[in-house]
Amino acid sequence: DAGITQSPRHKVTETGTPVTLRCHQTENHRYMYWYRQDPGHGLRLIHYSYGVKDTDKGEVSDGYSVSRSKTEDFLLTLESATSSQTSVYFCASGRSSGANVLTFGAGSRLTVL
Amino acid sequence: RKEVEQDPGPFNVPEGATVAFNCTYSNSASQSFFWYRQDCRKEPKLLMSVYSSGNEDGRFTAQLNRASQYISLLIRDSKLSDSATYLCVVNGVLTGGGNKLTFGTGTQLKVEL
Repeated sequence: DAGITQSPRHKVTETGTPVTLRCHQTENHRYMYWYRQDPGHGLRLIHYSYGVKDTDKGEVSDGYSVSRSKTEDFLLTLESATSSQTSVYFCASGRSSGANVLTFGAGSRLTVL
Repeated sequence: RKEVEQDPGPFNVPEGATVAFNCTYSNSASQSFFWYRQDCRKEPKLLMSVYSSGNEDGRFTAQLNRASQYISLLIRDSKLSDSATYLCVVNGVLTGGGNKLTFGTGTQLKVEL
């Protein structure tokens, strides 16, 4: 059983519509992260959470918001999707500050037309 | 200059070959270093940590040179199953704790019969 799941796995939407991606982990990890991956770029951090209701911005946070109301769930919201947000989004979680315990979800492929 | 730089490849090698990947990073305050493996359209997975003393895991050897800000990965006796993209990852610390992982764009390896 996967310790971290993302939904939806694939989504096509139109410019200007709101989109929410969900990340759910069953590991009781304190830290959760949202990354995006685009050709020619490494994975880039969008937002992260260091506890319930504790979140902060990453390097590419413009146009995105997050919420974490429970340890297991971390939501990423695009309030008004744009074509530049077409990407593959990965959620990750970790129990401590060591990257060697970071686990990634399978990814959510978002296409904004 | 990107924070983490890698040759994108692809490196096309025959089965059984030895292949080496290099990575440079710009932030001298970086604390820890990793190689992740990413299969096509899959999530990244930790391959191994990288230590200054060098470390080995089976056919894989990783080295770190802090003075030159350089990380390497050596794969001996390449297998078809080693075909993947190898991501160099540098870890700092985020404001709220947790990992500030900076990813390289990856080096693609194709192992051929």
